[in-house]
Amino acid sequence: GQQLNQSPQSMFIQEGEDVSMNCTSSSIFNTWLWYKQEPGEGPVLLIALYKAGELTSNGRLTAQFGITRKDSFLNISASIPSDVGIYFCAGNAGGTSYGKLTFGQGTILTVHP
Amino acid sequence: GAVVSQHPSWVICKSGTSVKIECRSLDFQATTMFWYRQFPKQSLMLMATSNEGSKATYEQGVEKDKFLINHASLTLSTLTVTSAHPEDSSFYICSATSRLDEQFFGPGTRLTVL
Repeated sequence: GQQLNQSPQSMFIQEGEDVSMNCTSSSIFNTWLWYKQEPGEGPVLLIALYKAGELTSNGRLTAQFGITRKDSFLNISASIPSDVGIYFCAGNAGGTSYGKLTFGQGTILTVHP
Repeated sequence: GAVVSQHPSWVICKSGTSVKIECRSLDFQATTMFWYRQFPKQSLMLMATSNEGSKATYEQGVEKDKFLINHASLTLSTLTVTSAHPEDSSFYICSATSRLDEQFFGPGTRLTVL
């Protein structure tokens, strides 16, 4: 089945630093989504990407849908302590699996004040 | 907008009992709802896809007789874990969508089976 490889697995950074994480796939996706999950909560949608090459920002967050449609990255600028959490990428391949999301393994972000 | 709720937020039950978890879309009509299971420090694993008024579609390896899903209305889906055992202890999360390229997740239900 489809798999998403998300890296890095974890990051320990100082407040104010920029963060970058990415996901790659062996197959093409039609939609890329980035979610943040805090302990004991469900994932919250951060950014949705629908077109190859699309670059979208949401405050300090920026994400891009790769041209090959097999990758996406998420950047967080000027990190703050409340950015702590697990970030997941998710992709939808369309076709017969339209609507079903495949999730990456997650990136655990720790921000030191 | 796009708020999804789950009830209960946590439940503890004895082995062999059944547990029902509700998922509601509060401010939109969800044509499709999805049920996921998440073990500690792992990613979300899709269990089944639920469309209003029709039978759920289960992922490979998920027992449909053990995890009963009902999607009776455009705002409510339920997951019943039948004859629960300790290995069923997990974090169960639903998501809902009215357009299949975007999903909104509930806050999750922590199930502990003793």
